[in-house]
Amino acid sequence: DAGVTQSPTHLIKTRGQQVTLRCSPKSGHDTVSWYQQALGQGPQFIFQYYEEEERQRGNFPDRFSGHQFPNYSSELNVNALLLGDSALYLCASSGDRSIGGYTFGSGTRLTVV
Amino acid sequence: KQEVTQIPAALSVPEGENLVLNCSFTDSAIYNLQWFRQDPGKGLTSLLLIQSSQREQTSGRLNASLDKSSGRSTLYIAASQPGDSATYLCAVRSRGGTSYGKLTFGQGTILTVHP
Repeated sequence: DAGVTQSPTHLIKTRGQQVTLRCSPKSGHDTVSWYQQALGQGPQFIFQYYEEEERQRGNFPDRFSGHQFPNYSSELNVNALLLGDSALYLCASSGDRSIGGYTFGSGTRLTVV
Repeated sequence: KQEVTQIPAALSVPEGENLVLNCSFTDSAIYNLQWFRQDPGKGLTSLLLIQSSQREQTSGRLNASLDKSSGRSTLYIAASQPGDSATYLCAVRSRGGTSYGKLTFGQGTILTVHP
């Protein structure tokens, strides 16, 4: 049973560029969340998608946007990249919006130069 | 606003020791609490999930307890091994309002077990 799959694993972008990260949830899961983890910090919630709609959003600017597809996979888009966007981006999926635990992917390491 | 704190920030122990990692949270209105392990540069591996109605969960050498009323959880690791070296993260899933469904993480405890 495949877990959460994220691509790419590593990415280097130039300041001002745009980036798209992808996530396939664990089989049977329909809710996808994205987190940003800076070095030495705990992950910070970006947003959550359920039924192809953004249901909840953390304290991130509008440069961060997302999408969920009918097959429950998801994309995270970041526009006008800043050096401070360099981080590990984690995707998590859940099969129950309230009581279930989350399964995380291995993450995408984004470096902005 | 939910806040999660983990103590200690780092811990170094000799192999074989039993150890306790602490997690505290400010808002007791939670669905559940989850402990994760993270190896350097990697994703999160779920260790234990405790529902708000439960007091503890066990998996092998790991035991996690939850005292929701006091806003505390502990992760107990028995007979530690060098392979246990990693960062351990505590996360709570909050109820209701704008926090519905999201996880709030602590900063983590960096554990080093030396032979």
